Amino acid sequence: AQKITQTQPGMFVQEKEAVTLDCTYDTSDPSYGLFWYKQPSSGEMIFLIYQGSYDQQNATEGRYSLNFQKARKSANLVISASQLGDSAMYFCAMRGNNAGNMLTFGGGTRLMVKP
Amino acid sequence: EAGVAQSPRYKIIEKRQSVAFWCNPISGHATLYWYQQILGQGPKLLIQFQNNGVVDDSQLPKDRFSAERLKGVDSTLKIQPAKLEDSAVYLCASSLGGRSQETQYFGPGTRLLVL
Repeated sequence: AQKITQTQPGMFVQEKEAVTLDCTYDTSDPSYGLFWYKQPSSGEMIFLIYQGSYDQQNATEGRYSLNFQKARKSANLVISASQLGDSAMYFCAMRGNNAGNMLTFGGGTRLMVKP
Repeated sequence: EAGVAQSPRYKIIEKRQSVAFWCNPISGHATLYWYQQILGQGPKLLIQFQNNGVVDDSQLPKDRFSAERLKGVDSTLKIQPAKLEDSAVYLCASSLGGRSQETQYFGPGTRLLVL
């Protein structure tokens, strides 16, 4: 079984500062993928970044980077230079080859950027 | 490129009524997913289609929920009869071929309120 845990229900960050959103996971699959999605108040899930379990380097996409620590089973999202538009719910998700390719989501973290 | 389309965006019904949601995936995407997102939680997969065949419907409450993707393109999700606990956002997503490393792209969702 796959499990994603996001322990921070809500976070505040000052505009232009960096913030780290925590995600830990548990799986028995040797090969898996980790995803982060952003969900603004409009409701749409917006894909941010992907990390494969065998990728040697941490993924980066613009202001988003993923701090992947395989031994600790963590995949934290780092947002640099926060903007007001970053205020939203953020979901960590994983997908394993042996779990029917099902995408399992964490409970989410609400990020609020202060001006 | 057009994204995943869903309709309606909002629906209010009374318990024991029926409701149907429609989804049109990104052109060329073979895999289509329906998720249920209850307020304050992450999305939960209800059903996954590969072309017009069901890959995973293990979490679909089959006594009241049904879904089809007859021609392997657009899909409908039906609830009959609805219960109060079905109030949620129903998200449709699609991906190219359903492999674990592929990104799923989400539509705007349908917000259902059952009174």
